[in-house]
Amino acid sequence: DAGVTQSPTHLIKTRGQQVTLRCSPISGHKSVSWYQQVLGQGPQFIFQYYEKEERGRGNFPDRFSARQFPNYSSELNVNALLLGDSALYLCASSLSQGPQSSPLHFGNGTRLTVT
Amino acid sequence: AQKVTQAQTEISVVEKEDVTLDCVYETRDTTYYLFWYKQPPSGELVFLIRRNSFDEQNEISGRYSWNFQKSTSSFNFTITASQVVDSAVYFCALSEPQAAGNKLTFGGGTRVLVKP
Repeated sequence: DAGVTQSPTHLIKTRGQQVTLRCSPISGHKSVSWYQQVLGQGPQFIFQYYEKEERGRGNFPDRFSARQFPNYSSELNVNALLLGDSALYLCASSLSQGPQSSPLHFGNGTRLTVT
Repeated sequence: AQKVTQAQTEISVVEKEDVTLDCVYETRDTTYYLFWYKQPPSGELVFLIRRNSFDEQNEISGRYSWNFQKSTSSFNFTITASQVVDSAVYFCALSEPQAAGNKLTFGGGTRVLVKP
């Protein structure tokens, strides 16, 4: 079975631009989460979606938004890009909403560079 | 607020040596889950283990073993007889079911370099 797939793998944007990152979860997984990992640090939680509804949001500005589609795939949008948004963006999927039933399975990430 | 601390930023060992990675966590909840993930250079976070707060039994899986001590809020990870393929960044993480969403709080990671 395919794991979590993310696209694109690399992206270079200019400050002020907007970007959309995409994620397809493992087949059968209904929950998708997004994490930001700045170089040299641990991942930081951005969003969780379950059954197409937002179930959790981390400490990120409103420039960050996301959605989940009926097929459980997800998009992360970031507006008005700043240099500090440069990071590896990781998508993770799980069977259900909470960690008690299934752990998070992560994709390879999208490396975003803002110049 | 919950917090995970991995005090060792980098550990370098020679192949076949044992290596232990420390993880200390802070939480106010009585029910929580702890995780270890491995991040090879490819970037993907690979799930290694999940442990709930009510299960303090140590666990062994091949060359990997985990020591959970609730009294000291620690969840340490040992690689026995390390191999070059074990070279990666290892993250300890904490999840609280009561928190909104399946949120994991990660430590800063420990980079393990295994030399042949």
